[in-house]
Amino acid sequence: EPEVTQTPSHQVTQMGQEVILRCVPISNHLYFYWYRQILGQKVEFLVSFYNNEISEKSEIFDDQFSVERPDGSNFTLKIRSTKLEDSAMYFCASSTEWGSDTQYFGPGTRLTVL
Amino acid sequence: SQQGEEDPQALSIQEGENATMNCSYKTSINNLQWYRQNSGRGLVHLILIRSNEREKHSGRLRVTLDTSKKSSSLLITASRAADTASYFCATPTGGGNKLTFGTGTQLKVEL
Repeated sequence: EPEVTQTPSHQVTQMGQEVILRCVPISNHLYFYWYRQILGQKVEFLVSFYNNEISEKSEIFDDQFSVERPDGSNFTLKIRSTKLEDSAMYFCASSTEWGSDTQYFGPGTRLTVL
Repeated sequence: SQQGEEDPQALSIQEGENATMNCSYKTSINNLQWYRQNSGRGLVHLILIRSNEREKHSGRLRVTLDTSKKSSSLLITASRAADTASYFCATPTGGGNKLTFGTGTQLKVEL
């Protein structure tokens, strides 16, 4: 069964460093998402992406964040200058349809900012 | 209350018993989804129920949706130790595809 994959599974970085989290969505999916979950808290939406542009973003997704689909398979989340509060589990998801279809999540990348 | 609140927050049962988790939401929805998360792991999609459906089954899972009460329930029958996880409801909100998750129910199934 096709699945969303994410790399790395765990990333440790120093505050102020840039990190890139990588995702390979399911191949025939058109919509891509990033969510995050701070330890012990709710899963929160960050951004959705379709047709090579951001469709929607949350207040969390400020200028420090960016997303890109550099080729036909990868979908990346970049945090330019990490802060301690960026420490969280980051989930990538993908879906085939807008607004009415299942979103399939990857296993997550645990980001630890020291 | 927030969009997507589950209760109870925690539930502990014996293997073989049924587990029922509830979710309430505030805004109109076109579907509601349930996910499972094992400790520290990813989110696994369990079932999606559309706003024009009242009940849906998948294996040992039974989901109901009452749009008049803005609530849903997830029933796991004949629970197993492997069902131990957190369960979340999620709804698309804001007119787009953004999923808003609830706070989750932590289910523990003991042998």
